Amino acid sequence: DQQVKQNSPSLSVQEGRISILNCDYTNSMFDYFLWYKKYPAEGPTFLISISSIKDKNEDGRFTVFLNKSAKHLSLHIVPSQPGDSAVYFCAPADNYGGSQGNLIFGKGTKLSVKP
Amino acid sequence: DAGVTQSPTHLIKTRGQQVTLRCSPKSGHDTVSWYQQALGQGPQFIFQYYEEEERQRGNFPDRFSGHQFPNYSSELNVNALLLGDSALYLCASSPRERGGGDTQYFGPGTRLTVL
Repeated sequence: DQQVKQNSPSLSVQEGRISILNCDYTNSMFDYFLWYKKYPAEGPTFLISISSIKDKNEDGRFTVFLNKSAKHLSLHIVPSQPGDSAVYFCAPADNYGGSQGNLIFGKGTKLSVKP
Repeated sequence: DAGVTQSPTHLIKTRGQQVTLRCSPKSGHDTVSWYQQALGQGPQFIFQYYEEEERQRGNFPDRFSGHQFPNYSSELNVNALLLGDSALYLCASSPRERGGGDTQYFGPGTRLTVL
């Protein structure tokens, strides 16, 4: 039973345009949502997060939107750069500060940004 | 400042054998989590160690066991290897007093192949 779904295995975007990566979840107990980025031969690195008390969090070119009623979140990258090409994972947590590491990862979306 | 290190980088075993993977956390971190990432999947939480004890465990059989040493480094042991254990094994460390996914730093992983 997949609690976290990233339905687009891959996404190709032109440099300078917007990249939108989507994530759906089923567990209403999730209260903190993280995005990780992973390059080949490296471990995942934390990118941006959002608490369930917010509906938007922005950090430079990266913005995450949360729609709790739809159990949906999205990551926007504007403008996209070739260095953003990586696999992006959506990872909710069910008790931020409490679970201390029990992240549930989606399958990931491979983003390719073409020059 | 060294980040999270894992050894070995690659490993090939045969079915029924036992394997030990090692992880050294980032300096200042005292909590270690282990994840299994199968091909085409997101990382799956195996267990977490703090103060040399297993604190949380994911849905993995008892063949998966671990240990944390006084210097916070950790080992993951897998007994009676199955073909399905072939995966990338990721170690992540974090400082306990903050916790939460955004403070988790991942190592590059150990690629285990079971023949």
